Amino acid sequence: DVVLTQTPPTLSATIGQSVSISCRSSQSLLHSNGNTYLNWLLQRPGQPPQLLIYLVSRLESGVPNRFSGSGSGTDFTLKISGVEAEDLGVYYCVQSTHAPYTFGAGTKLELK
Amino acid sequence: EVQLVESGGVLVQPGRSMKLSCAASGFTFSSFPMAWVRQAPTKGLEWVATISTSGGSTYYRDSVKGRFTISRDNAKSTLYLQMDSLRSEDTATYYCTTWAHWGQGVMVTVSS
Repeated sequence: DVVLTQTPPTLSATIGQSVSISCRSSQSLLHSNGNTYLNWLLQRPGQPPQLLIYLVSRLESGVPNRFSGSGSGTDFTLKISGVEAEDLGVYYCVQSTHAPYTFGAGTKLELK
Repeated sequence: EVQLVESGGVLVQPGRSMKLSCAASGFTFSSFPMAWVRQAPTKGLEWVATISTSGGSTYYRDSVKGRFTISRDNAKSTLYLQMDSLRSEDTATYYCTTWAHWGQGVMVTVSS
């Protein structure tokens, strides 16, 4: 199975600060069809997950453009350019290139 | 507005069966692959199963293979998860998802 390693596990930030979360895969997530199926989700406390970024860097409709994704192959990053209070929660990367689909362990974003 | 509404969760004894449903609305259900993702209490997210648009292809994580069956009724815009031979480790909130959209989740507790 593909292992996704997210770092850091916890992130403390002040409002307005820019932060990054890393997601490293145990194998390349490049599919034979040329797509890389790496998504980023946010789960706020008591809520279901919400899709933020799909296909590494594509912003889901309605998601603020302070969120951005980058990377390729085995190394991916989610950046938040100016944290807002509503961004607090747990961030997950998830891959659907290789079955079984797998999630990272999550990164909890807290207010400093 | 896209809505995914899960139902069927309850307390069940180990070894028994349960069927979850997910009623979809606000989008063309038959055009989207669907998945079930679960989250054990205080834990991260775990992919369970995926079904193709027609229902002709299904995929499962190893721990549920042979016990769980994912299916869909495109005429009713409904996704199902039949869960047999339930174990305590299946205790979780189960979400139905298109990956872009998520239901609120339904709690399944397996306990004697």
